Amino acid sequence: QTVVTQEPSLTVSPGGTVTLTCASSTGAVTSGYYPNWFQQKPGQAPRPLIYSTSNRHSWTPARFSGSLLGDKAVLTLSGAQPEDEADYYCLLYYGGPQLVFGGGTKLTVL
Amino acid sequence: QVQLVQSETEVKKPGASVKVSCKASGYTFTSYYLHWVRQTAGQGLEWMGVIKANGGSATYAPKFQGRVTMTSDTSTTTAYMELSSLRSEDTAIYYCVRGGTLTYYYFDVWGRGTLVTVSS
Repeated sequence: QTVVTQEPSLTVSPGGTVTLTCASSTGAVTSGYYPNWFQQKPGQAPRPLIYSTSNRHSWTPARFSGSLLGDKAVLTLSGAQPEDEADYYCLLYYGGPQLVFGGGTKLTVL
Repeated sequence: QVQLVQSETEVKKPGASVKVSCKASGYTFTSYYLHWVRQTAGQGLEWMGVIKANGGSATYAPKFQGRVTMTSDTSTTTAYMELSSLRSEDTAIYYCVRGGTLTYYYFDVWGRGTLVTVSS
């Protein structure tokens, strides 16, 4: 069974920069996994932030960026705002089609 | 604007089935994939499967194979997800999500979710 791993929790100071990672149990995450990133606040449906590794949706603030770093997909938040406090999920594509979400990262802005 | 409106909360007994609907509007329904994702209480997201809304075949996550059926009705632009042999662990919020037109790995518009509670 494929497992996608994220940090359970991270903390960032207001205005600071934080990096969230997304790893696959099958090996290095490449662009062929088309990583997606989602933000979810309590009581709300997830909101898409990034698709295909690094592409922002039209509504995604520019302070969010996606990339690959080493063998992982990465979501970088530069200049964190209080409203960025949320859970963040990555999603990887394994072909087939089969897709697997990561366990999520709870981001605290403090 | 693009919208996915889901059916209301359901309460089911163990062993029963549930059928959740997802009414699409604001775009060409048949051109897009439609995914189903669930989220159990306090837990993360789980991809269940995908269907091409033009009535094409569906693909399911191995965990749900044999228990889930995804369909679409192009006349009413509504997608359905039916889950059978329900157990307490299936208590969750079920979301429909619009995918891409040619790709499985693009997600944009999410429904607000349907809470399904399985309890005796």
